[in-house]
Amino acid sequence: EAQVTQNPRYLITVTGKKLTVTCSQNMNHEYMSWYRQDPGLGLRQIYYSMNVEVTDKGDVPEGYKVSRKEKRNFPLILESPSPNQTSLYFCASSLRGTGGDNQPQHFGDGTRLSIL
Amino acid sequence: GENVEQHPSTLSVQEGDSAVIKCTYSDSASNYFPWYKQELGKGPQLIIDIRSNVGEKKDQRIAVTLNKTAKHFSLHITETQPEDSAVYFCAAARPYGNNRLAFGKGNQVVVIP
Repeated sequence: EAQVTQNPRYLITVTGKKLTVTCSQNMNHEYMSWYRQDPGLGLRQIYYSMNVEVTDKGDVPEGYKVSRKEKRNFPLILESPSPNQTSLYFCASSLRGTGGDNQPQHFGDGTRLSIL
Repeated sequence: GENVEQHPSTLSVQEGDSAVIKCTYSDSASNYFPWYKQELGKGPQLIIDIRSNVGEKKDQRIAVTLNKTAKHFSLHITETQPEDSAVYFCAAARPYGNNRLAFGKGNQVVVIP
């Protein structure tokens, strides 16, 4: 089954303790992206990756890191989490990100992070 | 940058009636307009999308219309069913924009049995 898989689904942690949220897709997609969803603010893009070893900032990148060493994986890293990063996070992928023809994005089921 | 707004924020309809959600966008260069449905505890799921070279697209009970002149597009759900209850997000993207979507803030649709 074609899917985007995020882990963990839920995490409660404390300020300053480094954490990583993993994202994996099995569709051989070139493009992957991370979003956060907050009440009243909708979905905002954190980082995206056009392909292996190619990453770029989205609209709200502060406090986050990403890496794309393999095509299928795109982990989100919070080096020193703070309470304002408490949110619902989604990973998404699409066939490609280049070119003039935007491709549909497929989302994972989300990771709810609570940082105390 | 692109600004996408959705109206109304909450919509309640009787089962069997139609629901219409409207989105406006600001960037006239945008040419791709997807709609996502998000159920509780799930990620957004693409339900329909439209590109600017067409004015309307249908898929069973769902349709999307696009008015490029007025810069708005709408989602139409006919013969609503309880399972249509969800949050719906519209988005817009411009060509050669690295596939970046600008999302609206979402509409809560409640179908009353």
